[in-house]
Amino acid sequence: RKEVEQDPGPFNVPEGATVAFNCTYSNSASQSFFWYRQDCRKEPKLLMSVYSSGNEDGRFTAQLNRASQYISLLIRDSKLSDSATYLCVFDSDAGNMLTFGGGTRLMVKP
Amino acid sequence: DVKVTQSSRYLVKRTGEKVFLECVQDMDHENMFWYRQDPGLGLRLIYFSYDVKMKEKGDIPEGYSVSREKKERFSLILESASTNQTSMYLCASSLGDPYNSPLHFGNGTRLTVT
Repeated sequence: RKEVEQDPGPFNVPEGATVAFNCTYSNSASQSFFWYRQDCRKEPKLLMSVYSSGNEDGRFTAQLNRASQYISLLIRDSKLSDSATYLCVFDSDAGNMLTFGGGTRLMVKP
Repeated sequence: DVKVTQSSRYLVKRTGEKVFLECVQDMDHENMFWYRQDPGLGLRLIYFSYDVKMKEKGDIPEGYSVSREKKERFSLILESASTNQTSMYLCASSLGDPYNSPLHFGNGTRLTVT
């Protein structure tokens, strides 16, 4: 099983839609999880950390499902400016650095 | 706001040249990292440093070296550039545990080796 799996997309959604992405991870001992956003030809930027109890930041909700070993990102009321690639990131085996998923591309259309 | 600055946005070098990529951060972060990002391969860690003069190999260190003489500066060196090192190079820094603290990235250097 790959360390991390993300559907590369693209997810094409209309403005105002709700869209969700999942990211599965293989290491059950992982403790730290993040979602990053990367615009075309730009650097990744931290969108939000993912906490065990789930957390929300405006239109964005992140959740962790330890039993099934995945994290999710839900975006409500999608805006054109949400178009980007969303990368999941987590800590891998002890002594290894943060592992990045390949990213899920979101395109929000008018 | 954390500022991570990479000295060049675009670079074109010839095969065999020695290449220096410079990165400076202004938030007194202990940890600094060099990644490369390639289509279909995602971000891969080349080297990281958790203190001045300290360095650790990442997943793909071959063909690269690094230097950290000052806390705020982390340099990536390609001793003899090759075409397979054409890539987007991203520097990052973080505060705290280098294994699980969120990263702050510079805006990247797109290197082309011809």
